[in-house]
Amino acid sequence: SQQGEEDPQALSIQEGENATMNCSYKTSINNLQWYRQNSGRGLVHLILIRSNEREKHSGRLRVTLDTSKKSSSLLITASRAADTASYFCAASNSGNTPLVFGKGTRLSVIA
Amino acid sequence: DAGITQSPRHKVTETGTPVTLRCHQTENHRYMYWYRQDPGHGLRLIHYSYGVKDTDKGEVSDGYSVSRSKTEDFLLTLESATSSQTSVYFCAISDLAGQGPLSGNTIYFGEGSWLTVV
Repeated sequence: SQQGEEDPQALSIQEGENATMNCSYKTSINNLQWYRQNSGRGLVHLILIRSNEREKHSGRLRVTLDTSKKSSSLLITASRAADTASYFCAASNSGNTPLVFGKGTRLSVIA
Repeated sequence: DAGITQSPRHKVTETGTPVTLRCHQTENHRYMYWYRQDPGHGLRLIHYSYGVKDTDKGEVSDGYSVSRSKTEDFLLTLESATSSQTSVYFCAISDLAGQGPLSGNTIYFGEGSWLTVV
C-alpha cells in the first residue's frame, strides 16, 4: 500500500488568502485523493486525480499531480473560515488496495 | 452522505473487558475498513474486508479482530481492551470505480466511535 505524507503539518492564514498543501508519496500510483476532516467528524472525500492527469479543479479547489516528483498539491483559493479543517492525502496504486493516510495538514483560516 | 452508521458513538469501558464496535452500511459496497485515529499518528488501518467472510489485517491489527457475516455489517472486537486502545475509531466503505490501472476507490467514512478504556 501507499502512504501520502502531507506538508506542512499546520497552516494558518487570513480569510481570503490562498492555502497550499503538499503531499509526497514513494512509488508509482494509479490515483491520489484528498480528503477533509472537520473537528470531531469523519473524513470527507474532496477530489481524486488520476496518474494520467496533471491538474484538476473542483470549485475553489485545485489539485496538481507531478508523477516525476511523486508529489501533489492542493490549493484552496479565497479561503473562508469554514475551510478550517485537517486535510489528508492518500495515494493508491491499485483499485482494491486500502488507502493509507498521512497525518494531515491542519488548516486554520482566521476571519 | 453515504449510509454508514457506527455504534456505539461513545463508550467508556474498563481495562480487560471485551468491546465490540459495529459498522452498518446501506450502500452495498464491497469493501469495508476500520481505522483508528490518534494525535500524532493520523489515521491507521486496523483491518479491512473485501467481501463477506473475507478480511485482512492492516497496519495496527494486534489486539483487534473483525467479522463480516453480511455485506452490510462489519464488526470490530477488542477481546480485552487496554488503555492503548483508547482512540477514535472510524469505519469506512468503498467500491471499485472503473477497471484496470485507472480504477479508483473513493472511501466514505462514518462519523466515528469514541472509545475510552480506563
